[in-house]
Amino acid sequence: GQSLEQPSEVTAVEGAIVQINCTYQTSGFYGLSWYQQHDGGAPTFLSYNALDGLEETGRFSSFLSRSDSYGYLLLQELQMKDSASYFCAVRSGSNYQLIWGAGTKLIIKP
Amino acid sequence: DSGVTQTPKHLITATGQRVTLRCSPRSGDLSVYWYQQSLDQGLQFLIQYYNGEERAKGNILERFSAQQFPDLHSELNLSSLELGDSALYFCASSSSQNTEAFFGQGTRLTVV
Repeated sequence: GQSLEQPSEVTAVEGAIVQINCTYQTSGFYGLSWYQQHDGGAPTFLSYNALDGLEETGRFSSFLSRSDSYGYLLLQELQMKDSASYFCAVRSGSNYQLIWGAGTKLIIKP
Repeated sequence: DSGVTQTPKHLITATGQRVTLRCSPRSGDLSVYWYQQSLDQGLQFLIQYYNGEERAKGNILERFSAQQFPDLHSELNLSSLELGDSALYFCASSSSQNTEAFFGQGTRLTVV
């Protein structure tokens, strides 16, 4: 079957750095996306990696290793507003069918 | 604002009933996706339409159906509703380049 694994919950301190890992097993692979979802809100797009390496966007960075079927989202200088659930999702086909992880709840403590 | 509009925002209905959820994608986006999210769960892909045609199907129950109209808006029909169908239903759209999906604010369905 096709699956993505990510930790269910991560706790970090305000101002620190946190890494959320995602490993995947899918029949096809076009890219790995990350989405942020606040409680009761809609998922919002953070990043998309199609090639190996690190992509940086402000305080957030995303990494992909296709040979290891692995990626991570790195959040730096954590702020309380970063408390949310973070989902990784694999685009497994050309039609942008996404396979989603179950989400990682990020808890930030002052 | 993602540009994706979903109506209604909230819906409360009784078991056995039928409801229709509506989605207007971002201007120019041809693909529409429907997702179900139960409390504290991940997103379950239901179905995708591209320019009026069904493109991919996920874990969609036979009691559920969807369609995309010529103006590209989409409707998700849920029938013979059960308590377990209570969830947030999201619609998302993407362009033909397909690297980013834009989500609506969702419809919160409560079946009582």
